[in-house]
Amino acid sequence: QQQVKQSPQSLIVQKGGISIINCAYENTAFDYFPWYQQFPGKGPALLIAIRPDVSEKKEGRFTISFNKSAKQFSLHIMDSQPGDSATYFCAANAGNNRKLIWGLGTSLAVNP
Amino acid sequence: DAGVIQSPRHEVTEMGQEVTLRCKPISGHNSLFWYRQTMMRGLELLIYFNNNVPIDDSGMPEDRFSAKMPNASFSTLKIQPSEPRDSAVYFCASSRDIGNTIYFGEGSWLTVV
Repeated sequence: QQQVKQSPQSLIVQKGGISIINCAYENTAFDYFPWYQQFPGKGPALLIAIRPDVSEKKEGRFTISFNKSAKQFSLHIMDSQPGDSATYFCAANAGNNRKLIWGLGTSLAVNP
Repeated sequence: DAGVIQSPRHEVTEMGQEVTLRCKPISGHNSLFWYRQTMMRGLELLIYFNNNVPIDDSGMPEDRFSAKMPNASFSTLKIQPSEPRDSAVYFCASSRDIGNTIYFGEGSWLTVV
């Protein structure tokens, strides 16, 4: 069964700290792993994505780490800011399949 | 550039009434998705269209739900009759064939009482 398991469900971090959200998948055919960020009252928006040919991708304070053998990928938010408080979703799909398989989301709160 | 446009943003309706949600995808995008979001089940893909043709409707919960895409710039999701358990945020999203980025609208918040 295609699944993406995301943890933790919620996370509280102090300003300046590192936020880490983890996802695990089962389908070895997955080859695209995006992270989406959703603010209250808004739709999810693509934050950063990775393909399995690299083990890490960094964009500003956001980094995806990818472990193909463990079938896991994680989002690291360095120097977390109150403005990063949102719900984060990991997802995955395979090839040209438009159907993303979503994690259940992590609610991140960054305390000032 | 205009993003995905959804209407209505909020709707409160009585059980048994018909609900129609509307979506205008981003111009030039040829894939359109309808998602439902609840606290319990997260983001669920209900149906997706490619070039106005329904490709995968396996997520449509039951026959009370139907979706149409009569042209490249408009889609509807209809619930008839509505039930309280349909209360959720319904998102429309679109993407291009090339590239995987899906762009979401701001959602339609549905409450069925």
